[in-house]
Amino acid sequence: DGGITQSPKYLFRKEGQNVTLSCEQNLNHDAMYWYRQDPGQGLRLIYYSQIVNDFQKGDIAEGYSVSREKKESFPLTVTSAQKNPTAFYLCASSIGSGFVTEAFFGQGTRLTVV
Amino acid sequence: AQKITQTQPGMFVQEKEAVTLDCTYDTSDQSYGLFWYKQPSSGEMIFLIYQGSYDEQNATEGRYSLNFQKARKSANLVISASQLGDSAMYFCAMREGQNTGRRALTFGSGTRLQVQP
Repeated sequence: DGGITQSPKYLFRKEGQNVTLSCEQNLNHDAMYWYRQDPGQGLRLIYYSQIVNDFQKGDIAEGYSVSREKKESFPLTVTSAQKNPTAFYLCASSIGSGFVTEAFFGQGTRLTVV
Repeated sequence: AQKITQTQPGMFVQEKEAVTLDCTYDTSDQSYGLFWYKQPSSGEMIFLIYQGSYDEQNATEGRYSLNFQKARKSANLVISASQLGDSAMYFCAMREGQNTGRRALTFGSGTRLQVQP
């Protein structure tokens, strides 16, 4: 079955540590996205990539980094510079970047700083 | 300025009744798409319905319909014959076209719908 796989589902991080969230898709989609969701709030865009080896900052990119070396993969690293990383992180992909294309989402990763 | 505004933090509806979830948007682009997603307590985002800015007819998908009023910049979601399984968060989102460098969905703050038996 085609889809988007995020791992792990739950992640605990000590303060000062970097941590990487995995996102893999087998939908052959060109575009991929990372969103952050805080409790009771909407989704905010962290980074997005329209094509391999290219990505753009979203609204809240500070303290995060990404790479897009393969079409299928778009990992997100939460660095120690991110002051409040505890949140729900959602990865998405779409076949293209045009305004008619919907995005498909993974199951999400809940990150908690301990 | 907010691109997507959802003014109803929470809504209640009786089972089998219809409910309207409000969404207004702001864009200077002529080409854009409007989307509604459902997020159950499990956290996954489920795509429900899409409306393009050039579509003359309101979109419908089963029990979901989108009341698109372009001049008022509103794209309200109507759920007919509510079911208990419809209880969830609902998000309105927009993707703009050529005139913006942004190539990603922008989401509203969401509406929590609770269906009562």
